Amino acid sequence: GIQVEQSPPDLILQEGANSTLRCNFSDSVNNLQWFHQNPWGQLINLFYIPSGTKQNGRLSATTVATERYSLLYISSSQTTDSGVYFCAVGPGGGNKLTFGTGTQLKVEL
Amino acid sequence: GAVVSQHPSRVICKSGTSVKIECRSLDFQATTMFWYRQFPKQSLMLMATSNEGSKATYEQGVEKDKFLINHASLTLSTLTVTSAHPEDSSFYICSAPRPASNTGELFFGEGSRLTVL
Repeated sequence: GIQVEQSPPDLILQEGANSTLRCNFSDSVNNLQWFHQNPWGQLINLFYIPSGTKQNGRLSATTVATERYSLLYISSSQTTDSGVYFCAVGPGGGNKLTFGTGTQLKVEL
Repeated sequence: GAVVSQHPSRVICKSGTSVKIECRSLDFQATTMFWYRQFPKQSLMLMATSNEGSKATYEQGVEKDKFLINHASLTLSTLTVTSAHPEDSSFYICSAPRPASNTGELFFGEGSRLTVL
């Protein structure tokens, strides 16, 4: 099956700092999503981004499908950004997603 | 975005009992839903695909007789953990594809945390 690796596995930032999270995948995909898992476990949809670039406030994401990677940018980080960030990929068309290994982010004052 | 709701959010049961978790798509129909399991500090692993009107499809290594899935209507899928044991303690989370779209974007429920004593 498809392999999805995320880096770094852990990240500690000072509030206000910027960061880049990376997601590498081993095969071509038609669906790529980024999620933030909050402390209660809920997955919050951040981006649906099988290709191209999107921005939403302080967050932006870029997927280069031909090179099989995606990047999530967090600018001016806040303590509420803490949690685990997952990318997940799939064949599209309402089919299952395979989750990456996750990045545990902690933003400190 | 589409809303998926799970119930209960937390359940504690004794070893040997069965526990049912519900997953509902609110205000949209989902012919397919997905059940994932997450152990502490690990990623989400797909357990099975729930198909309305037909049998669920289980991932390799997942016992279909232990994790019963029923997709009885276009808005409800249930996961029953039968004869639960402490090693079944985990976070179970369901998802459904975005309605009226072929993109396949998935939305997830709030999750259900199962603790087996």
